[in-house]
Amino acid sequence: GDSVTQMEGPVTLSEEAFLTINCTYTATGYPSLFWYVQYPGEGLQLLLKATKADDKGSNKGFEATYRKETTSFHLEKGSVQVSDSAVYFCALSDYQGAQKLVFGQGTRLTINP
Amino acid sequence: GAGVSQSPSNKVTEKGKDVELRCDPISGHTALYWYRQSLGQGLEFLIYFQGNSAPDKSGLPSDRFSAERTGGSVSTLTIQRTQQEDSAVYLCASSSTTGETQYFGPGTRLLVL
Repeated sequence: GDSVTQMEGPVTLSEEAFLTINCTYTATGYPSLFWYVQYPGEGLQLLLKATKADDKGSNKGFEATYRKETTSFHLEKGSVQVSDSAVYFCALSDYQGAQKLVFGQGTRLTINP
Repeated sequence: GAGVSQSPSNKVTEKGKDVELRCDPISGHTALYWYRQSLGQGLEFLIYFQGNSAPDKSGLPSDRFSAERTGGSVSTLTIQRTQQEDSAVYLCASSSTTGETQYFGPGTRLLVL
């Protein structure tokens, strides 16, 4: 079945550092890809998405490019802030049926001032 | 406007008891999903409703789990004869229709003693 593998955490960085969280997937068909974020004490929020190969999703300074050839959707940000501390989930949904989300295991990110 | 709401926010129950968890989706959203977030299994899909169609129950872990959606709006997830391994955060999400962005509620944290 479909699956998502994320870089294991936790990840700790200093403010203004460059961030990469790796995500690779296995899927049949043509999935859409997502990054969701869960801030402390809050629910899951969509951060960005891409629906086809070579699309780039971006939001709040974060970016991720849908790479079909490497089945990857790595999350990047050029300069992280303390407020980016959260748990990040990579996910996919198939284009058929329920289009339910299949999530990676999550990566906890802590940014120190 | 109002987001997805869930109740109760926390529930503590004894092993063997039945529990009901409620989800109020965003008004007008026809697709509704239940997910479970647990330490051992991560985030996993449970069940999906779309309009008046038969639900996709493929993620329900056992026949102790059931869900219904009344009037195409509110949904209730019922767990019968709860077990300790049912302890998790149960998340509800809705989308305007299948394939559109899923918006998550804050979750119900269930603890089975």
